Formats: sequence, C-alpha cells, structure tokens
Amino acid sequence: TQLLEQSPQFLSIQEGENLTVYCNSSSVFSSLQWYRQEPGEGPVLLVTVVTGGEVKKLKRLTFQFGDARKDSSLHITAAQPGDTGLYLCAAHFGNEKLTFGTGTRLTIIP
Amino acid sequence: EAGVAQSPRYKIIEKRQSVAFWCNPISGHATLYWYQQILGQGPKLLIQFQNNGVVDDSQLPKDRFSAERLKGVDSTLKIQPAKLEDSAVYLCASSSAGQATEAFFGQGTRLTVV
Repeated sequence: TQLLEQSPQFLSIQEGENLTVYCNSSSVFSSLQWYRQEPGEGPVLLVTVVTGGEVKKLKRLTFQFGDARKDSSLHITAAQPGDTGLYLCAAHFGNEKLTFGTGTRLTIIP
Repeated sequence: EAGVAQSPRYKIIEKRQSVAFWCNPISGHATLYWYQQILGQGPKLLIQFQNNGVVDDSQLPKDRFSAERLKGVDSTLKIQPAKLEDSAVYLCASSSAGQATEAFFGQGTRLTVV
C-alpha cells in the first residue's frame, strides 16, 4: 500500500512556465526526499528535508516541507526541457522502511 | 567510487519459469533495498536489508519471491515461478545506515514475462 500520494500524476507544460507538484500523506514522517528518474535509469536524489516548514532551493527548484511534516511540495521556476522526468517523493516510516510516492511524470515542451 | 551494479539489464522469460537478479551495492553501505517498479508508477519496496538481516519484507510475495544477502554485501532476488504481472523493472539501491541518508540506485533489470 502506497502511503505517499503525489499529484498531479501527469503534467505537460511549455518551456518557461512554472509548476508545482505535491506529495501528501496521512502519516507524519521524520524526513522526506525528492528524487528524479529518467528513462532507463534509477532515481537520483535531489534533496532531503527534515524539519517541518523547511524550504530548500536547488537552482530553479524549490522544495518545501509542511509544518506538520505530512506533506511536501516541489516548485520549478521557468521549466526547461532538461527538467523532464519522473519526480518521486520518498520517506522513511517507522522502522526506516524507505517508501516512494506514486510519482509525477513531467514533460516540458520546447 | 563505483555505483550500484545490477545484472542482467534485460530479461525475457516465459510464465512459470524462474529468474534471478543480482545486485552489488556501494562498498560499505549497510542498507540494501529491492524495489519493483511497474511502468509509470513509483517504486514499490519488496525487501530491505540492514547488513544481512531483513528490516522489512512485508510487500514481498513470499510464495514466489525470495531474496538473500549473504555476508551482508551483494544480494540476489529470485522469482519462481514467474507470472505475467511480474513484468516490471527491478531496482536495487543501497545507502549507509540511518534515516535521511541518500539511497543510490542501480540502473535496474527490466523483466518481461510472456
């Protein structure tokens, strides 16, 4: 059973536009990670957030961890074709089991 | 530093046959994960090892799937007998111990059951 729900499931936008994807859970997690996966490859870590309310920036990507540590968002400014990929949130629950979300498949149209 | 190695990259088998996947994690990483990823979905954890002990295997279909990590280093995942719905990419990942640590993934094995 997936404990992390991501939305939207699919997103296709024009180059230069902004976008936000979301990761939600009914459970509290101690830390949350965002990964990006390209076709034929394994996921690669983008960021880890550990404190409620934390905001981290990675160039044009902004990650926010909800105050209650049950949700997170990823905002991309001025999207570029290189941002295309499957974005996955992941969290450790309870006994350190690393669980991934349902994923958001992002396509940036040149 | 070498990454996580998986083999084979691709495998096609008939239903009811058996198959095995191999994973060599990053040297020194205590935690090893096996995930199943259906096309277009997020990875689903099958089993997580800490050294050579099992941390979680609650989503491993134990009637047909088995995994071992002898000596706490490399690992094999086996399916016997395979079903059509087992067609997926099988990803291996490793990390150093502790929460909030980065999981490093291999390229995966794409399994097609026909």
